Amino acid sequence: DGGITQSPKYLFRKEGQNVTLSCEQNLNHDAMYWYRQDPGQGLRLIYYSQIVNDFQKGDIAEGYSVSREKKESFPLTVTSAQKNPTAFYLCASSIEATYEQYFGPGTRLTVT
Amino acid sequence: LAKTTQPISMDSYEGQEVNITCSHNNIATNDYITWYQQFPSQGPRFIIQGYKTKVTNEVASLFIPADRKSSTLSLPRVSLSDTAVYYCLVGDRVNDMRFGAGTRLTVKP
Repeated sequence: DGGITQSPKYLFRKEGQNVTLSCEQNLNHDAMYWYRQDPGQGLRLIYYSQIVNDFQKGDIAEGYSVSREKKESFPLTVTSAQKNPTAFYLCASSIEATYEQYFGPGTRLTVT
Repeated sequence: LAKTTQPISMDSYEGQEVNITCSHNNIATNDYITWYQQFPSQGPRFIIQGYKTKVTNEVASLFIPADRKSSTLSLPRVSLSDTAVYYCLVGDRVNDMRFGAGTRLTVKP
């Protein structure tokens, strides 16, 4: 059963704490992405990776960090430097860096 | 970077055909047109992609006129489960991939 998994579905953290969101795919896709979505708005690209051990900043990378040590995994760390971390975070993957992407179910992060 | 304009919302009834138009006046030669569907609290789902003329799959059709300055997503015989937000994206590089506010389609019984 191929797909993208994100865990957990809901995450609560106190302000000032770093938190890592998990994203795993078994689609054998080379490219992976992280997006952020705020209420009533579209998605914004945080980071993307076209290949293992390489990643690029998107529009809103400040306050976030990623790693791509394995093809299947692309974790996102929301650091304490991110001023407004509360949001819906979506991970996606694609065969190569294209607009045809497959999205995970998302993680809703609430920081108080 | 091609900017897109879509209606904020549309209403339809079950069984009707729905056409959502997207304007992209400054589309570049290399740009493709891609449509996604998103249900509340879920990740978007790729629907269809095209470059010119007409593309059809099992879910929808995409009509692109010769000047490519607009495109129309056509959903045949919608059902209540097609109620969602639909996004039109234009570009060819992933770091230019922009999801606007989309079109909120409401299908009524």
